[in-house]
Amino acid sequence: SQQGEEDPQALSIQEGENATMNCSYKTSINNLQWYRQNSGRGLVHLILIRSNEREKHSGRLRVTLDTSKKSSSLLITASRAADTASYFCATDNSGYSTLTFGKGTMLLVSP
Amino acid sequence: DAGVIQSPRHEVTEMGQEVTLRCKPISGHDYLFWYRQTMMRGLELLIYFNNNVPIDDSGMPEDRFSAKMPNASFSTLKIQPSEPRDSAVYFCASSRDRGETQYFGPGTRLLVL
Repeated sequence: SQQGEEDPQALSIQEGENATMNCSYKTSINNLQWYRQNSGRGLVHLILIRSNEREKHSGRLRVTLDTSKKSSSLLITASRAADTASYFCATDNSGYSTLTFGKGTMLLVSP
Repeated sequence: DAGVIQSPRHEVTEMGQEVTLRCKPISGHDYLFWYRQTMMRGLELLIYFNNNVPIDDSGMPEDRFSAKMPNASFSTLKIQPSEPRDSAVYFCASSRDRGETQYFGPGTRLLVL
């Protein structure tokens, strides 16, 4: 079964607004990662947060991790049209052979 | 580094034909992964290698699919014979360690008619 599940499935916002995507998982993890995929391209790694970390920043990205709730959120501040893409969370769980990817959130940022 | 390299980028073939997809991972990465992505099923892990050895091929759909990694810098995914339901984007990715960041190639978009 899917380890990571993103929510919402799709999100549409205006440029300048913030976008928040959530990821829930089922079993304990070593780390959680967020990836972006532009249409027709491969996935690109955005940020990795380890199980002993609660928050991490990278530019306009902010990721939080709540291991008690088994959830993570990705916040993109001051969104731009170029942020339009699908965003995936992936979990590294010792019980699985490798990273497990969710089905993604499709983000549309309109100018 | 040039990143993960895949070829061809696009492949159109007829049902029953053999298809070979190729991948060159990032130098120094010990893990190589093959994924398939479709609208219906999302991103699926097909198989992954560690130090050129196949570790988990439970995601390979059926015997028509096979993958090899003859050396640290090259892997192939072969479909023989191909079927229309194999149409998808196939990604190769590599990483230094099992659960660490994966670097994806640009993908091969396969269409089987």
